[in-house]
Parts: sequence; C-alpha cells; structure tokens
Amino acid sequence: GQQLNQSPQSMFIQEGEDVSMNCTSSSIFNTWLWYKQDPGEGPVLLIALYKAGELTSNGRLTAQFGITRKDSFLNISASIPSDVGIYFCAGTNTGNQFYFGTGTSLTVIP
Amino acid sequence: DAEITQSPRHKITETGRQVTLACHQTWNHNNMFWYRQDLGHGLRLIHYSYGVQDTNKGEVSDGYSVSRSNTEDLPLTLESAASSQTSVYFCASSAALGLATTNEQFFGPGTRLTVL
Repeated sequence: GQQLNQSPQSMFIQEGEDVSMNCTSSSIFNTWLWYKQDPGEGPVLLIALYKAGELTSNGRLTAQFGITRKDSFLNISASIPSDVGIYFCAGTNTGNQFYFGTGTSLTVIP
Repeated sequence: DAEITQSPRHKITETGRQVTLACHQTWNHNNMFWYRQDLGHGLRLIHYSYGVQDTNKGEVSDGYSVSRSNTEDLPLTLESAASSQTSVYFCASSAALGLATTNEQFFGPGTRLTVL
C-alpha cells in the first residue's frame, strides 16, 4: 500500500529551537492530519487540514496543506522537552483511502 | 468524557492460540479501525468498519478477523497466532462518513501482543 514519505526520519534539537518536518505523497490528498505519539501511548491528533493552502495553528504548532495537495508541513516553534515523541502525518486521497506516514522521531535536548 | 479503550494492554500468547483484543469507544462513532505498528513500517491498517454489521479488509488483514455487532465495540481476533503477529495494536474511531470530521481518527492506548 501507499505510504506517505515523511522527513526527516529523526531530529535531535536543542530546547528553544524551532522544528520543521514535512510529508509528501505521489498522489493528490483531500485531507492532511498531524499526530503525535508519546512512548507507550496511541497517536493523538494535533491538527487537521482540509483545504489546499490552509495554514492552521495549535499553540506552538503550525501546519500547512500544500498548494499542490501533495504535501504538508508541520512546524513547532520554541521547542520544549515535552515535545519529544514521534510525529506522524496522515491523509486521505481522492479515493477516500487513509494513509499514515512513517513518522519523525523528535528528541529535544534540555 | 468520551474515550476509546483497549484491553488487555499487554498480552503474551503461544503460537497457534486464538487471541481476541477488545476495543470499546464511547464517542458514538460509526467508523472503527484496527492498526498494527511495527518498527520501520509505521501504522498499517488491518480491518475497518463503517457501521454495525459492516467490516472491510485493510492492507494487512491475513490472519485477522473482526465483527461489529454494536456501535461501541470492534474486537480483533487472531485465529491462530503466529510470531509474525507480535506487534503493538491500536484501535481508532472516527465520525460517520460524509461528516466534515470523518477523517479525524481518535486512537486507543494500544495493546502490546507477544506471540512466543
């Protein structure tokens, strides 16, 4: 099955730095979602995007639905230790099939 | 508060045994999903249901079955457990098809299954 290409695979950053990660697909998507997963827990929905070009914020997190509808970006500003975890993108294509990205592992060094 | 729960949280079983993992949601969601999560593969869809009596195969359905007799529950059964089915299993639910939020899936805490 199709998987979304997420990058980078892992990140090690200093506390206070900004973070950027992205997700790309070979086909057009109608919906993009971003999840965070803490160790031993299930993914938690952070942001949902429904329109090309849409830019949505949730606290220090900002996500964008790419104009081409084949990509999405997640930015985290002024990172803190509790931002540690794995971030997944997910999306629904024009056939309403739901796919997850492979994840970006974020480590924040105090 | 509405929630989605899974039980057990941890399970060890032997090859060949039948195992059932429970998933219960109080969101009153029509849609329910089962995923497995393995290193290097992310989340892969096993089975899903869009309502009572509806079940569909996902990407990795071989060796698994589900049944949907009510809105709240979607149990996942491993007919004859194999070592390749050692994984972490997540259940999720979402609002009915056609609603604006239908693609927003909410996940349970997961079940870690080990097949010896």
